[in-house]
Amino acid sequence: QVQLVESGGGVVQPGGSLRLSCAASGFTFSSYGMHWVRQAPGKGLEWVAFIRYDGSNKYYADSVKGRFTISRDNSKNTLYLQMNSLRAEDTAVYYCAKDPTVTTGDDAFDIWGQGTMVTVSS
Amino acid sequence: DIQMTQSPSSLSASVGDRVTITCQASQDISNYLNWYQQKPGKAPKLLIYDASNLETGVPSRFSGSGSGTDFTFTISSLQPEDIATYYCQQYDNLRLTFGGGTKVEIK
Repeated sequence: QVQLVESGGGVVQPGGSLRLSCAASGFTFSSYGMHWVRQAPGKGLEWVAFIRYDGSNKYYADSVKGRFTISRDNSKNTLYLQMNSLRAEDTAVYYCAKDPTVTTGDDAFDIWGQGTMVTVSS
Repeated sequence: DIQMTQSPSSLSASVGDRVTITCQASQDISNYLNWYQQKPGKAPKLLIYDASNLETGVPSRFSGSGSGTDFTFTISSLQPEDIATYYCQQYDNLRLTFGGGTKVEIK
C-alpha cells in the first residue's frame, strides 16, 4: 500500500545539524511533489518545504529558509530534509507528505508519514 | 503571507449534532482551501480539497463550502470517531499556511 516512513530524528544541540529521510513505497514517487510539514509539541501544523516531482524547484517557509534544504533521490524513492543551524524553536514532529496531483501538484497533502521527532536542546 | 483565522478553537457537541467550523483568510484565496482531520498521536488526514470536494473514502457527513475569504467545514451528524482536531489549509503561490485548529470533543 501507499506508505511514507520517516527516519533520522533525534536530539541535537542548538546550532547543530540533522538530516531527515522519508522512504516512499506503493506509488510512483518520481511523479509527485513532496512536502515536509512540522508540528511543535502541543501546537498546530506548519508547512516547511516543498520539492517538485523532478527536483526542479524547491520552496521554503520563511522560518527555515537558508537553514534547511529539501532534496530527493527518485532512484531510491527517498525524500530528504537537511537541517542546519538548528534552533530550539525547530523542535517538532516532522512529517513528510505527498501531494495528491501528479507532476503539477503543489498545494495539498494526501498521504502522510508517521512523523519523526526532532528535539533541539542543550 | 496569508493568515488563516479558524474558529472556534475548541467545541463540545453531542453525538448526532451538526458541527460547523469556520476559516477566514486574510485575503482572497478563491477556492484554494483544504481541510484535515488529526486524531491524537496520528498524522493528519485530508478530508476536503478545493474548499468543497470530498476526498475519496471520506464519509459524506463531512462537507466544505465557501470561496474568497470565508469558508465553512461541517460535520452533519457528529460521531464518536470524529473526535479530533481539524485544520484548514490554504495554498497561495507555494506559501502554504494552516489555521490554528479546532479541537472537537463529545459532550
